Amino acid sequence: DAKTTQPPSMDCAEGRAANLPCNHSTISGNEYVYWYRQIHSQGPQYIIHGLKNNETNEMASLIITEDRKSSTLILPHATLRDTAVYYCIVRPHLKIIFGKGTRLHILP
Amino acid sequence: EPEVTQTPSHQVTQMGQEVILRCVPISNHLYFYWYRQILGQKVEFLVSFYNNEISEKSEIFDDQFSVERPDGSNFTLKIRSTKLEDSAMYFCASTGGDRGFLGEQYFGPGTRLTVT
Repeated sequence: DAKTTQPPSMDCAEGRAANLPCNHSTISGNEYVYWYRQIHSQGPQYIIHGLKNNETNEMASLIITEDRKSSTLILPHATLRDTAVYYCIVRPHLKIIFGKGTRLHILP
Repeated sequence: EPEVTQTPSHQVTQMGQEVILRCVPISNHLYFYWYRQILGQKVEFLVSFYNNEISEKSEIFDDQFSVERPDGSNFTLKIRSTKLEDSAMYFCASTGGDRGFLGEQYFGPGTRLTVT
């Protein structure tokens, strides 16, 4: 199973920042943290990844704690289209092991 | 923007029949994958493929399953004798070679397989 722990669901008001936490206390030094999301029954969509440093792209920001045991995905201005299941994945291998993720509800 | 495509979007078949699910990965990608998602459950890894051979496969990927890259663009998943429990959404994914297998995977829209 995935070596991460996420809350099963979260709510966020439209236009506000959505902060999705993830615990990965057993992460190894060479393992990256990836975030994907799945909107309804569509294919999973890559969001962002990082190793040690905080990362930002056009979709989101990823904040990784100094000890690398947890991280937070930040969607800066959530819209209704961000309603999805968000997966935090620790990945040293070819395959992605998906957990149950966090179901994010964006409230109008 | 390049994307992974899959055909058909929905396939209905009878138990015991063979099905082939087709995928066209992003053109310069080198690593290819199949995943499945049974309705209401997690996305599960099936197989990865690199350099014209299987790199890794899960316990789900038994002798009834096979993959092939018949030409430079297509990547197929064959189920030889379908069972009711094969009913699921099947996703193809691909990764570019610049970061090796740790590159981000791009997923297709999926094929919904219904076995009756």
